[in-house]
Amino acid sequence: SQKIEQNSEALNIQEGKTATLTCNYTNYSPAYLQWYRQDPGRGPVFLLLIRENEKEKRKERLKVTFDTTLKQSLFHITASQPADSATYLCASGPGGYNKLIFGAGTRLAVHP
Amino acid sequence: GAVVSQHPSWVICKSGTSVKIECRSLDFQATTMFWYRQFPKQSLMLMATSNEGSKATYEQGVEKDKFLINHASLTLSTLTVTSAHPEDSSFYICSAREGWGQIGGYTFGSGTRLTVV
Repeated sequence: SQKIEQNSEALNIQEGKTATLTCNYTNYSPAYLQWYRQDPGRGPVFLLLIRENEKEKRKERLKVTFDTTLKQSLFHITASQPADSATYLCASGPGGYNKLIFGAGTRLAVHP
Repeated sequence: GAVVSQHPSWVICKSGTSVKIECRSLDFQATTMFWYRQFPKQSLMLMATSNEGSKATYEQGVEKDKFLINHASLTLSTLTVTSAHPEDSSFYICSAREGWGQIGGYTFGSGTRLTVV
């Protein structure tokens, strides 16, 4: 079955460092991958989308890559701040533009 | 930007009663909305796809008679948890997307914390 996996349940880093989160997919070839931020007790908030024919996408301190050979997307937060602490979810819509399936998420903690 | 409003944000109900959760797209029309469930420290699991004017499409393992979905207008979908039991306690979240037919990010409601006692 189609799967999205985020292998790191939690990631702790020091303020100012770059956080790198990993998302792997298996048993399908997504046309795109999306990244969301979720704070405790809140719904996810859309951050970035990257298409399969795009190698890299940037938005302010965020950068996402898409490697179809490795079947992997990397999500980077540069110059991380304590306010970046949250759970980050990778998602994709298998088979087209409708429903999303989510990875388990990576809980990022940025320490001062 | 697109806003999805979900109500209530939390609810406590007695076992055996029913609870209705509303999801509204405030500034756009949504022919399709999605309902998710999230257990503590777990990811979002899609329950069903709500289609305006037609029956919802449920994911495998989700009981359609227990989780009733109604999408009566282009801006409102409701999820009713019928005969709720403690194991139905969870965080329920809806989502929708503006600009259907194009690839884009989804807007989520703020979620409803359901506790069945």
